[in-house]
Amino acid sequence: DAGVIQSPRHEVTEMGQEVTLRCKPISGHDYLFWYRQTMMRGLELLIYFNNNVPIDDSGMPEDRFSAKMPNASFSTLKIQPSEPRDSAVYFCASSHGGLAGELFFGEGSRLTVL
Amino acid sequence: QKEVEQNSGPLSVPEGAIASLNCTYSDRGSQSFFWYRQYSGKSPELIMFIYSNGDKEDGRFTAQLNKASQYVSLLIRDSQPSDSATYLCAVDTGFQKLVFGTGTRLLVSP
Repeated sequence: DAGVIQSPRHEVTEMGQEVTLRCKPISGHDYLFWYRQTMMRGLELLIYFNNNVPIDDSGMPEDRFSAKMPNASFSTLKIQPSEPRDSAVYFCASSHGGLAGELFFGEGSRLTVL
Repeated sequence: QKEVEQNSGPLSVPEGAIASLNCTYSDRGSQSFFWYRQYSGKSPELIMFIYSNGDKEDGRFTAQLNKASQYVSLLIRDSQPSDSATYLCAVDTGFQKLVFGTGTRLLVSP
């Protein structure tokens, strides 16, 4: 079975550019989460969806960040404009809502903003 | 105060020893607790979860929960070099929302 698929795996961009990260959750999972991981702050929840509806976006750092889930098999996280402090690994995870806390993570997208 | 706190380590133990990883949390209403393992450059994967006070054993892993003290721990018996990773403690704050600690790095030397 395919796991959570994220793209791109690595992205290097210049400050001010738009960045779009993509995620395909595991089929049948109705929760989708976007996390950001840095050495200093660890793994932070940015936003999560249930049945394609955003439930909690309180972790989104500011208006430069936006996320969408147009259907059950696709989600995007967009940063516009990007800044060097956005450099991090961005993980997408999905769950089926059975065991709360059993998240299946993608391999992550490593973002570097110069 | 952070919601979930862990010592960043590294915690160094020799092969075959018991590794003890600890975590404290701030929300007394939390009901579910999780341990994820993350190898360097990889994504986190769930290894244990616990809901009730006491111990829960799964192979070489034992999770311990003390809700009165707001304390969760993970014991790894007969530690192996392949256990070298960062261990993330996570707490379910409700509605499927997990809050993670910053993780403890474990190094098991042969």
